[in-house]
Amino acid sequence: DQQVKQNSPSLSVQEGRISILNCDYTNSMFDYFLWYKKYPAEGPTFLISISSIKDKNEDGRFTVFLNKSAKHLSLHIVPSQPGDSAVYFCAATSGTYKYIFGTGTRLKVLA
Amino acid sequence: DVKVTQSSRYLVKRTGEKVFLECVQDMDHENMFWYRQDPGLGLRLIYFSYDVKMKEKGDIPEGYSVSREKKERFSLILESASTNQTSMYLCASSSTMSSYEQYFGPGTRLTVT
Repeated sequence: DQQVKQNSPSLSVQEGRISILNCDYTNSMFDYFLWYKKYPAEGPTFLISISSIKDKNEDGRFTVFLNKSAKHLSLHIVPSQPGDSAVYFCAATSGTYKYIFGTGTRLKVLA
Repeated sequence: DVKVTQSSRYLVKRTGEKVFLECVQDMDHENMFWYRQDPGLGLRLIYFSYDVKMKEKGDIPEGYSVSREKKERFSLILESASTNQTSMYLCASSSTMSSYEQYFGPGTRLTVT
């Protein structure tokens, strides 16, 4: 049972345009969500997070939106840059240190 | 900067061998984790530890054990390696006192033949 789903395995976007990566979850007990970025041959690095008490969090070019009623979160990257090309994982937790990760979306930003 | 290091980047072992994967973090973090990453399955938690000598099973502990004798070091042990344990293994650490953010090592690509 996949509690955190990233239904798009891959996404291609032109440089300078917006990238939107989506994540759906099924467990209403999740109260904290994170996005990680992973380059080949490296471990994932933390990108941005959001608590369930918020519906938006911004950090520079990265914004995460949370829609609790739809159990959906999205990561917006504006403007997209070639260096953003990586695999993006969303993760969720219900207040413990145990995360459930999605399967990842491979983003390719075309120059 | 938090640093999480893993003993090997690439490892090739034979079926039935006992395999040790070592992870060390330098930020005095209380929590440490072992994941495996497989295509189409994302990151799955094998074991985690919230203190020295303390451990809890994750989602896929079968075939694995762990050891945490010192706060900075967390070892994953494959008692008798099998081909279905061929995978990318990722170690992570986090602090109880800060956010939920986990810091990951670079990973060990293990191939069992």
